[in-house]
Amino acid sequence: GESVGLHLPTLSVQEGDNSIINCAYSNSASDYFIWYKQESGKGPQFIIDIRSNMDKRQGQRVTVLLNKTVKHLSLQIAATQPGDSAVYFCAENKSGGKLIFGQGTELSVKP
Amino acid sequence: EAQVTQNPRYLITVTGKKLTVTCSQNMNHEYMSWYRQDPGLGLRQIYYSMNVEVTDKGDVPEGYKVSRKEKRNFPLILESPSPNQTSLYFCASSFLGLRSPLHFGNGTRLTVT
Repeated sequence: GESVGLHLPTLSVQEGDNSIINCAYSNSASDYFIWYKQESGKGPQFIIDIRSNMDKRQGQRVTVLLNKTVKHLSLQIAATQPGDSAVYFCAENKSGGKLIFGQGTELSVKP
Repeated sequence: EAQVTQNPRYLITVTGKKLTVTCSQNMNHEYMSWYRQDPGLGLRQIYYSMNVEVTDKGDVPEGYKVSRKEKRNFPLILESPSPNQTSLYFCASSFLGLRSPLHFGNGTRLTVT
């Protein structure tokens, strides 16, 4: 997973634009992946998940893409809104193993 | 409303004074877990429970205890808190362990002086 210091990677987008948040996962045997959103003062909130038998999964305004060849996961948010401002982090799991969380990316939406 | 409820939200205590953070879920989930979140370290698992009366250590269990006497409740106990346990704590539950999404509470910010 991502490894950053005390400062999270940040992404700043204009309201209405599309956002793409990336995550490099660590274990090639991981077969279940989840994206969480964490707003200030709140617990992580489930956004979307994907299993390794899929390359793409769509939800409401969000799409997750999985590239197993390069161990890369991305979250696309369409028509980003101010309410999307939060820290987003991915998590990976291998059956019988731990859930490994990434450090997160801070998304800032400019009105 | 389906939710995980933690109490208290904020807690300031002194070294050595026993405390309990409560966690309750109303989704009939079998799996429950405690995490702590620290800057630069992300979410680290403290303890988890696959079912009633079944608990196991996570990655950072030292200084913590848990119990699972009922399906809905999973309290976190600090018998003798120390300043290095100052952190943001989250309780979480899920339907299928780590193979389905975790539902998190809103956190307990603990300060130990």
